[in-house]
Amino acid sequence: EAEVAQSPRYKITEKSQAVAFWCDPISGHATLYWYRQILGQGPELLVQFQDESVVDDSQLPKDRFSAERLKGVDSTLKIQPAELGDSAMYLCASSPQGELGTEAFFGQGTRLTVV
Amino acid sequence: SQQGEEDPQALSIQEGENATMNCSYKTSINNLQWYRQNSGRGLVHLILIRSNEREKHSGRLRVTLDTSKKSSSLLITASRAADTASYFCATAKRNAGNMLTFGGGTRLMVKP
Repeated sequence: EAEVAQSPRYKITEKSQAVAFWCDPISGHATLYWYRQILGQGPELLVQFQDESVVDDSQLPKDRFSAERLKGVDSTLKIQPAELGDSAMYLCASSPQGELGTEAFFGQGTRLTVV
Repeated sequence: SQQGEEDPQALSIQEGENATMNCSYKTSINNLQWYRQNSGRGLVHLILIRSNEREKHSGRLRVTLDTSKKSSSLLITASRAADTASYFCATAKRNAGNMLTFGGGTRLMVKP
């Protein structure tokens, strides 16, 4: 069964360091999402791609966060420099193209701890 | 920012009882979806209801959508201990590339 792959599963980093997360969506899925989820809260959309184009990144803190999906396949989310408040679960999801929207398939996430 | 708000934030019931969770949202949507998340894991899609649908069933799940009130409900019938999880609604925003945003979730505990 096809899955969304994320790595690493866990990451501990010191504040002010750079950190990167990788996501490989299900083959053929045009839409890719990055979410941040703080413990006890719902996922917050950081960026949504349609192929290699950004659909929305209004909640992405662009002074420190960047995301790319260069060939419209896998994607990288980077934080530089990391801050204590960035500690959270970072979730990637993908969905097939659909004019009226389709279900999203989630990876297992990367749990980031900033110390 | 989050589009939807779930109610209640937490729900505790006995096995065999029904569980009802509500979701309200703010903008025009193409569809509304419900997801489940076990502690520390990724989200799993449960059911999708389109804006022109009013009710949908899947196994023990029943979802309703009222676009005039911008609200939805998820009913889990004959709950089981294994249904213990967090449940989230998500909306695909119309005219915004189906931007998918989530609410804060309902934490359901089903006691055996």
